Parts: sequence; structure tokens; C-alpha cells
Amino acid sequence: AQSVTQLDSHVSVSEGTPVLLRCNYSSSYSPSLFWYVQHPNKGLQLLLKYTSAATLVKGINGFEAEFKKSETSFHLTKPSAHMSDAAEYFCVVTDTGGFKTIFGAGTRLFVKA
Amino acid sequence: ETGVTQTPRHLVMGMTNKKSLKCEQHLGHNAMYWYKQSAKKPLELMFVYSLEERVENNSVPSRFSPECPNSSHLFLHLHTLQPEDSALYLCASSLDRLSTGELFFGEGSRLTVL
Repeated sequence: AQSVTQLDSHVSVSEGTPVLLRCNYSSSYSPSLFWYVQHPNKGLQLLLKYTSAATLVKGINGFEAEFKKSETSFHLTKPSAHMSDAAEYFCVVTDTGGFKTIFGAGTRLFVKA
Repeated sequence: ETGVTQTPRHLVMGMTNKKSLKCEQHLGHNAMYWYKQSAKKPLELMFVYSLEERVENNSVPSRFSPECPNSSHLFLHLHTLQPEDSALYLCASSLDRLSTGELFFGEGSRLTVL
């Protein structure tokens, strides 16, 4: 069975400091992993995806994530937070066939000036 | 602009009303989805359509009735809803049924049931 756990419901950082949003997954198959972002009153937008190629994945807006099989983790990072990064972030796992998609509960990122 | 358009953006309805949510995608995708997003709950998949055929219905109450007349349009017909159905309803599309992780979302229809 698949599952995804976002370890923090809220993360608060100061503008210009690094961002770390944590995600752990469980999958019986070779998973594909994704991060999505949702700004207030908007739909979800794909930030980046891992599909068994390079383990370090770069996405839009300076975000990146590293797939660590030994730790079953796919944490999202950014070297320097901007005010515009304040949003909710979702970690997503799908099985090999892509039929089953599981969304994490989300992490709300606050960025202080 | 993601290429997925949802209307209306906001809807208030009484429990006895009948209304519909509309979704249109201009991406040439073959799969379309309805998701429900409630406060403090994970995103819930409601329905999946692939090439206009419903391929998944996740135990959704019959007061929600989807319709997919062609691969570009998806509707969610609503009738005799309950206050707990108040939520953000998100439409999404993907290239095909195997690309369920790579979704393109609309901005959602915020539904309030009085």
C-alpha cells in the first residue's frame, strides 16, 4: 500500500533564509513523486517531479527535491525564501503504473519579512 | 493560466437547489478528474474520466453526478447537497490515465451549501 506523510503542517521562515519541507513516502512499487504548490484561492501547480531518473530534481521558482530511497524521503528545499513562496505545498506519490495517486495533507509555508 | 478553466469560481446554494460546475481544458488531454478539497483534510479524488468514460468513482454520494460529454469538458451536477459538502471543488486533467501524478488543475469552484 502507498502512503505519503508530510511531517510538518506549518513551516515559518524569514525571507532570504533556506526552506525545507519534509515528505516521507511508503510504496510497494517504484514510485513517482511530485511536489505541488497552491497559492490562496488558486488551484494546485506542479513544482517538480521524480520519475526514476536523476535523484536530485530541479523545479520551478528555484525549488529542488532529492529522492532518497534508503530514507524513503523526498524533501523539498529552496536556498532563499521569497515572500511570494508563501503558500501550501503538497507531496504526492503515484505507483509505477500511475493509476493510484496519493496526496499528502499539505504543509503551509509562512515567509516573514 | 494552466489551460484548465472552471466556472463558476464561487457558488452558494441551498440544500434543495440544483446547480452544475463546469470544467474545460484546452490542453488536448485525455483524462479529467474531480477533486474535493475541504479544510484540514487531504485532497479527495471523486471521479476520473478517461476518453470520456468514467473509470473511477470513489464512493461519492449520488447527490454528485458527473458528466463528460467530450474529452475537453467535464461537469459536476449537484442536487440536494448537505452543508458538509461545502468545499473547494477542483478539476484537473492529465495527458492520459497513466499520468495521474502530473496533473493540471483549474483554480477551483468554491461551493457553500446553506
